[in-house]
Amino acid sequence: DQQVKQNSPSLSVQEGRISILNCDYTNSMFDYFLWYKKYPAEGPTFLISISSIKDKNEDGRFTVFLNKSAKHLSLHIVPSQPGDSAVYFCAALSFGNEKLTFGTGTRLTIIP
Amino acid sequence: KAGVTQTPRYLIKTRGQQVTLSCSPISGHRSVSWYQQTPGQGLQFLFEYFSETQRNKGNFPGRFSGRQFSNSRSEMNVSTLELGDSALYLCASSLRVSQETQYFGPGTRLLVL
Repeated sequence: DQQVKQNSPSLSVQEGRISILNCDYTNSMFDYFLWYKKYPAEGPTFLISISSIKDKNEDGRFTVFLNKSAKHLSLHIVPSQPGDSAVYFCAALSFGNEKLTFGTGTRLTIIP
Repeated sequence: KAGVTQTPRYLIKTRGQQVTLSCSPISGHRSVSWYQQTPGQGLQFLFEYFSETQRNKGNFPGRFSGRQFSNSRSEMNVSTLELGDSALYLCASSLRVSQETQYFGPGTRLLVL
């Protein structure tokens, strides 16, 4: 049972445009969400997070939006740069459980 | 400060064998978590250790086990290897038993033939 889903395995975006990566979850007990970025042959790198008490968190070019009623979060990257090409994982946890649940990842390719 | 290190980086084993993977966390970090990454399943949580005690465990069979030493280094063992165990095994360290920010190692790629 996949509690965190990333339904798009891949996404291509023109350099300079906005990249939008989506993530859906089924467990309403999740109260903290994270995005990780992974380059080939490297471990995932923490990117940005959001608590369930917020609906938006922004850090430079990266913004994460959370829609709790829809159990949906998204990562916006604007403007997209070639270095953003990587696999992006969303993850969720519920405080008290302390176990991260990951999505399957979306491969983002930025086209120069 | 040195990052998380994992050894070996690559490993080839045959079915039925057992394997031990090692992870050294960032200095001062006491929590180590292990994950399995496969193309179809994405990243799946295996277990987490803190202060030499397993604190959390994912849904993996008993063939997967681990331990943590007093210096916070951790090992993961898989016995009676199966073809489906072929994956990238990642460990991540954090200061406390909290997974809000984890630092991942480069991973050990295991191929079971």
